Amino acid sequence: GEDVEQSLFLSVREGDSSVINCTYTDSSSTYLYWYKQEPGAGLQLLTYIFSNMDMKQDQRLTVLLNKKDKHLSLRIADTQTGDSAIYFCAEINEGASKIIFGSGTRLSIRP
Amino acid sequence: DTGVSQNPRHKITKRGQNVTFRCDPISEHNRLYWYRQTLGQGPEFLTYFQNEAQLEKSRLLSDRFSAERPKGSFSTLEIQRTEQGDSAMYLCASSLSVTGRTEAFFGQGTRLTVV
Repeated sequence: GEDVEQSLFLSVREGDSSVINCTYTDSSSTYLYWYKQEPGAGLQLLTYIFSNMDMKQDQRLTVLLNKKDKHLSLRIADTQTGDSAIYFCAEINEGASKIIFGSGTRLSIRP
Repeated sequence: DTGVSQNPRHKITKRGQNVTFRCDPISEHNRLYWYRQTLGQGPEFLTYFQNEAQLEKSRLLSDRFSAERPKGSFSTLEIQRTEQGDSAMYLCASSLSVTGRTEAFFGQGTRLTVV
């Protein structure tokens, strides 16, 4: 079945770039998403990329997709304390009904 | 419309009681999803609706769980005879399923604690 995997933790210094990585198994994935979850809150859609794109940039966020390797990354430039959260990678197949989530990467920022 | 709304935000119940949660999706969205999230895990799919039709249910959704979306707008998720293992955050999401647009937006969730 479909699977999405992420590393559990990432620690970066304030002002540096953060890169969160994700791999997935479904070669028919149509959309890939990045969600942010702060403590006790729901999931906030940060950005998404369509499977026929290699890159998408949105202000401080850059999403890179390597479809051949089924690898997705989220780069956050100039990481701030407000970026501390859990980041979930997710994918959906256009013909499928559900979005499959990874286990999340907890991003912590050190001064 | 300010997004997906879930009520209540928190629910504490005794084991064996029934609970019902409500989700109000973004008004023009035709798809509605229910997910469950436990501590340290990503959201797990429970079920989804296209308009009023429930099109898929996860095997996680035991016969104690039932979801409805009677008029294709709001949805309810009921858990009967709650067990301690049902303690989790229950998340609702909605999306507009048309070609090229399938972003799903989540509500703040309902945190269920079964004591």
